[in-house]
Amino acid sequence: SYVLTQPPSVSEAPGQTAKITCGGNDIGSKTVHWYQQKPGQAPVVVVYDDSERPSGIPERFSGSNSGDTATLTISRVEAGDEADYYCQVYDSYSAQYVFGTGTKVSVL
Amino acid sequence: QVQLVESGGGLVQPGGSLRVSCAASTSTFDTYDLHWVRQAPGKGLEWVAFIRFDGNSKFYADSVKGRFTISRDNSQNTLYLEMSSLRPDDMALYYCAKMKERKWYFDLWGRGTLVTVSS
Repeated sequence: SYVLTQPPSVSEAPGQTAKITCGGNDIGSKTVHWYQQKPGQAPVVVVYDDSERPSGIPERFSGSNSGDTATLTISRVEAGDEADYYCQVYDSYSAQYVFGTGTKVSVL
Repeated sequence: QVQLVESGGGLVQPGGSLRVSCAASTSTFDTYDLHWVRQAPGKGLEWVAFIRFDGNSKFYADSVKGRFTISRDNSQNTLYLEMSSLRPDDMALYYCAKMKERKWYFDLWGRGTLVTVSS
């Protein structure tokens, strides 16, 4: 089955840029979506289709996808961005939806 | 504002069965492709199952195939997940989630219902 690997944690000071990677075999050929999950809450999509933002999501959130790595970038990190972040793809070969292992973002 | 509300979670013994439900407050329920996604305590998200808007297509994660059955009743605006042969590693918060139309991501989630598998 298809596997998506994320770093367990990322830490940045307020105002800096946090980058969260999502590694998968030829993930660049798939469409990647990113979710933010705060404690006790359901996930919320922050980037879809590799780099699109839903309405209401700040421009500080952006995404890219190429080769074997997709990246979620959070610019000018704020305390309110502290959360777990998950990447997700649809693997058409197995007809299964796959989530990444998750990354905890901490704002120092 | 459309809402998804899960119910039916609880304590079940290993090897037992349980059915969880997800009710939607919308008249367009029968246009939604729906999923179950679970999250074990302190762990990440795991996709469980998918059902097409008309119920005619279903897919399952390998970890639940043959043990779980997804279904829906569009007349009752309700999604179901029938779980059998439950194992301790099935213990999780079970979310229902709606797929964005013509996309492959989840744009609406419920708050989840907790399934505990323990003797």
